[in-house]
Order: sequence, then C-alpha cells, then structure tokens
Amino acid sequence: GAVVSQHPSWVICKSGTSVKIECRSLDFQATTMFWYRQFPKQSLMLMATSNEGSKATYEQGVEKDKFLINHASLTLSTLTVTSAHPEDSSFYICSAEDGTDTQYFGPGTRLTVL
Amino acid sequence: GQSLEQPSEVTAVEGAIVQINCTYQTSGFYGLSWYQQHDGGAPTFLSYNGLDGLEETGRFSSFLSRSDSYGYLLLQELQMKDSASYFCVIARNRDDKIIFGKGTRLHILP
Repeated sequence: GAVVSQHPSWVICKSGTSVKIECRSLDFQATTMFWYRQFPKQSLMLMATSNEGSKATYEQGVEKDKFLINHASLTLSTLTVTSAHPEDSSFYICSAEDGTDTQYFGPGTRLTVL
Repeated sequence: GQSLEQPSEVTAVEGAIVQINCTYQTSGFYGLSWYQQHDGGAPTFLSYNGLDGLEETGRFSSFLSRSDSYGYLLLQELQMKDSASYFCVIARNRDDKIIFGKGTRLHILP
C-alpha cells in the first residue's frame, strides 16, 4: 500500500526558532500533498495544498510567510514553521494523493514550542 | 457556506453494530470519505463513496445519498481496537479541497 513518512516525528524548539518538517511519499509519486494541523481533541484543519513545482495554496487565515511550504519533487514536500511561538505547538500531519481520490496520511509531527 | 455534521461521541458494546451519521452542506460536492484516527496517530483511510449506495469493506460499510446530503459509516462486530475517532470527509471538485468533519469519538464497552 501507499506509504507516507514524516520527519521528525516530534520536535521541541525554543520560541523564535524555525522548524522544518519533511513529508515523503515512499512508494508512489504524489503530485499533490496537503498539510494539516490538529490541536488536541479537535479535527484536522487544512493549512495548505502543495503541488509539485508550483506555489502552495494556503487556506484562509494561514500565514504563508510563517508556514513556508516547498514541494520540490513528486515525493517530497516540506513545511517550515518560521519564528515559532508556543501557540504554534500542535500536531502537524501531511497527506499525499496517489491519483485515486484517496489521501494517505503521514504519521504526523508533534511540535512543542517552549 | 459549507458544513459537516456528525455526532461528537457514540458508545457501543463489543460485538455490536454502530452507525455514525454524517450530513453535509457544500457546493461542488465530489465524494464522501471516512477516516479512522487512534489517539496520537495519523488518520487512516477507511472508505470512499463517490456514488450513491453502499460500499462494503470487511466489517466496515459506508453509505451515501447525494440527494439527501447524507452518509453513514457502519461498523459491525465491534472490537475494542475500534475505539477511535472517526471523521467524515467531503471532497469538493471545484477546488479539490477536502474538508474534515469534527469527528465522532467511538467508545466501546466490554
């Protein structure tokens, strides 16, 4: 089956620093990847849609200068949280489409900003 | 606007059957999916309905009625490992966006 990996699985950083999260589709090519954020006991909120070779499309209310997304290849998308603050602490999950209307999710990255 | 409604919590007994309903309102509806998420884990795909009717995959079945903007997930022969949150998710063809419902927390009693 389709496998999506994320790295790191968890990260703790100081306020004001930047954190990069990688999302990889391991056994398929994903023209579209999605980034979500999930706060405890809440649903997943779509942050942005990432298409290979083009700029990401951000959801309303998501700061594109704060959450930098790069989709450099058909198997890799990165999310960089710049100048992270405690309120950015969350579970960040990526997903990738395999062209069959099914999204496969990565295991998520737990970000804690001190 | 758009909306997705599903119950916040459901409790059932091991071995029983449970149905989780989902009603939606959106423009450009494309399909309805269901995802399962255990605590601390990522969502995993369960089923997709692009057309009206019932889709069956093992102990799980999902139903869609486009005319009623309604769907449900049916879980049979409940097992303790089925305790999780279940999200109904709609896909829109206008902008390829998918939207998650708030999730239904399923509690299973022995």
